[in-house]
Amino acid sequence: AQSVSQHNHHVILSEAASLELGCNYSYGGTVNLFWYVQYPGQHLQLLLKYFSGDPLVKGIKGFEAEFIKSKFSFNLRKPSVQWSDTAEYFCAVTRTNTGNQFYFGTGTSLTVIP
Amino acid sequence: DVKVTQSSRYLVKRTGEKVFLECVQDMDHENMFWYRQDPGLGLRLIYFSYDVKMKEKGDIPEGYSVSREKKERFSLILESASTNQTSMYLCASSFASYGYTFGSGTRLTVV
Repeated sequence: AQSVSQHNHHVILSEAASLELGCNYSYGGTVNLFWYVQYPGQHLQLLLKYFSGDPLVKGIKGFEAEFIKSKFSFNLRKPSVQWSDTAEYFCAVTRTNTGNQFYFGTGTSLTVIP
Repeated sequence: DVKVTQSSRYLVKRTGEKVFLECVQDMDHENMFWYRQDPGLGLRLIYFSYDVKMKEKGDIPEGYSVSREKKERFSLILESASTNQTSMYLCASSFASYGYTFGSGTRLTVV
């Protein structure tokens, strides 16, 4: 079965620290990859996505992610976090040839300390 | 922008009640989904639909049913609510596999 793993469940950082959140998936075929963010009390929002092409994807609010096919990974990064980045982050994967169902990781809770 | 609207933000229901959660999207998306979100478990797919009157079971369909009579509306039904169905319920819609748009969620408490 398709699975998505987010190894960091809770991350606490000080402002200006660098961030990297891990995401690995198990499916070997062609995939689309996503990161979603959920700020406290708000709905899930798309942060960035990868379909094809340049494996380094830029998203909103200074976030980026790198697709490494050989490692089945799509890690999220930000060089310098802000207090406003405190949120829950979800990685998601969909297989391009078998419909539109998304598979989500269990999420990573990020707390940024001012 | 696509808008996905869930009719209730908070609901409190009694054990055994029949509960309806409504979701409406305004961008003519074929695909609609219901998830529940629980701490430490992430998002788990309950049911999804690729077209009107069509439904598919997700990973945790037990205790739930769905209805899609119109393309824009996808309803989740708890036939007989139980306390273990207390959760945040999220509706989403999409065009193909290009990314979901989520509603703001319904926090259901079953007492």
